[in-house]
Amino acid sequence: DTGVSQDPRHKITKRGQNVTFRCDPISEHNRLYWYRQTLGQGPEFLTYFQNEAQLEKSRLLSDRFSAERPKGSFSTLEIQRTEQGDSAMYLCASSLETSGEQFFGPGTRLTVL
Amino acid sequence: AQSVTQLDSHVSVSEGTPVLLRCNYSSSYSPSLFWYVQHPNKGLQLLLKYTSAATLVKGINGFEAEFKKSETSFHLTKPSAHMSDAAEYFCVVSDQAEGYNQGGKLIFGQGTELSVKP
Repeated sequence: DTGVSQDPRHKITKRGQNVTFRCDPISEHNRLYWYRQTLGQGPEFLTYFQNEAQLEKSRLLSDRFSAERPKGSFSTLEIQRTEQGDSAMYLCASSLETSGEQFFGPGTRLTVL
Repeated sequence: AQSVTQLDSHVSVSEGTPVLLRCNYSSSYSPSLFWYVQHPNKGLQLLLKYTSAATLVKGINGFEAEFKKSETSFHLTKPSAHMSDAAEYFCVVSDQAEGYNQGGKLIFGQGTELSVKP
């Protein structure tokens, strides 16, 4: 069990650029979650997948955000036309459907200049 | 809707003294509750979880929490603080409960920063 991994760990981009993050969950976990954490706050839910189906999206997830999990394994989160307000830590977590326990990755820290 | 409130944004203790981090929850059904810890530049780690079994839950590194339905509380305690306990602690409620087939997203509190003085 190698845990949840995320790539890249850090991303600096200019306003208006597109960015894509990747998350590799624990291999037998069928649920995958994305959260966003800004400085001094707790993580906030963005979206989650059960296998390849995206089952819930938060109102925080504007039209500029899109997430995929094409084969029910890894997931990508893309942000188009980044804004300075998108600067945050993006966290991925995975779990079994039968368990409420989520395992978190180290996160991707996004800085939009 | 589920929510949690962490009553202290910052707690400072001396090494060797007890730790108490307070959390109140709101839930329309029997909740699943967690405490997570986040050390600087490290990922979130699960300390312990409550899922309607024993009301006193023991976790890793000597931490424990007591579920009190009458007070809607789930406070985290440790008898003796270590320097390595300095971190951010999050009280968390899940929207997944026994018998409810929901997504299981986690709702985090604002966090309590624990400082440990030598």
